[in-house]
Amino acid sequence: NAGVMQNPRHLVRRRGQEARLRCSPMKGHSHVYWYRQLPEEGLKFMVYLQKENIIDESGMPKERFSAEFPKEGPSILRIQQVVRGDSAAYFCASSLGRRELNTEAFFGQGTRLTVV
Amino acid sequence: AQKVTQAQTEISVVEKEDVTLDCVYETRDTTYYLFWYKQPPSGELVFLIRRNSFDEQNEISGRYSWNFQKSTSSFNFTITASQVVDSAVYFCALSRTSGTYKYIFGTGTRLKVLA
Repeated sequence: NAGVMQNPRHLVRRRGQEARLRCSPMKGHSHVYWYRQLPEEGLKFMVYLQKENIIDESGMPKERFSAEFPKEGPSILRIQQVVRGDSAAYFCASSLGRRELNTEAFFGQGTRLTVV
Repeated sequence: AQKVTQAQTEISVVEKEDVTLDCVYETRDTTYYLFWYKQPPSGELVFLIRRNSFDEQNEISGRYSWNFQKSTSSFNFTITASQVVDSAVYFCALSRTSGTYKYIFGTGTRLKVLA
């Protein structure tokens, strides 16, 4: 039973390019969360998605960042016109359902984005 | 508002020493979850423990133990007889028990265990 899969593990982009980060949740999981870890800092919540819906994007930067979780396929975190400050590790977590169902969230191994 | 504070930025110990990592949290919720994660040099997040706020029993798992004190809003983590493989960044986190899995992470404590 594969865990949460993120790809690529490492991504290098030049300033101004677009970065696309993918997250395949665990089998059967329909809830996905994205977190960002800046160098030497803790993880910060970005966005919470269910299939085809954004539930909470209170942690997303207002510009250049977007996320989707289509009916089929992985969740995508998209960063347009990347800047050096976007360099960070981006983690995805998935869960079976809402916390009331007493389900656990599982983290992927992260994608390390470097903007040069 | 919810907040997690890990005041120890970095700790160095010699192998076989015991070490305690501190975690203090703030929340207005009456029920909540607390977590500890390990992030080794390879970068992934390794789940260590989840504790529900109504369960104040301390927990021991091998060389790891956790001390949850609701009265002082602390959830400290002790490693007994530390080993070099314990070297990592350790994160404490907090979340609500209903709604979303929006974890609030502390800034982490980097533990260096020297041979």
